[in-house]
Amino acid sequence: GQNIDQPTEMTATEGAIVQINCTYQTSGFNGLFWYQQHAGEAPTFLSYNVLDGLEEKGRFSSFLSRSKGYSYLLLKELQMKDSASYLCAAVSYNTDKLIFGTGTRLQVFP
Amino acid sequence: KAGVTQTPRYLIKTRGQQVTLSCSPISGHRSVSWYQQTPGQGLQFLFEYFSETQRNKGNFPGRFSGRQFSNSRSEMNVSTLELGDSALYLCASRSSTSSTSDTQYFGPGTRLTVL
Repeated sequence: GQNIDQPTEMTATEGAIVQINCTYQTSGFNGLFWYQQHAGEAPTFLSYNVLDGLEEKGRFSSFLSRSKGYSYLLLKELQMKDSASYLCAAVSYNTDKLIFGTGTRLQVFP
Repeated sequence: KAGVTQTPRYLIKTRGQQVTLSCSPISGHRSVSWYQQTPGQGLQFLFEYFSETQRNKGNFPGRFSGRQFSNSRSEMNVSTLELGDSALYLCASRSSTSSTSDTQYFGPGTRLTVL
């Protein structure tokens, strides 16, 4: 089966660090994506992990542990513009479809 | 390079009607996927088209259908609309059909409201 879990909402303060977790159960797992979606806008690609470990891209980093079925997105030096929904999606090589979680709505306060 | 475009952006229909949504992918992209996004269910995969052929399909009833034209533009049709079909419909394009080597780029979506 396919299942993706991530927290519904999170809050943080400007300048802080926040970690958004995602757990997945995907048969034929072949990678995990993170997308950012501002209200009323299209999701935009943030990262893709297929191997275990941490991938860093500026203020954003993404981590994957295949053995634990776990990923997280780490956002550093939070800015107000980081207030958005963050979508975790797993891909299966069986189906080559992206299975999305329901998204985590992050609110950054001054 | 222009992004993925979707028309119309907003649509209001009544139960029982049908609706057609349109998606133009990024130039050169041949794969188009459709998703339904609702607050409770998140993004759910509807189907993917590549070179005018449906390549993949999600778990939606037959009322949801689609097609792709030779210029890679795609349309999605929903017949006999139900209240539960109210959602944001997102289209995404990529250059090939491989999820692991090609990033999907999403359009802004069509907000469908069924009354």
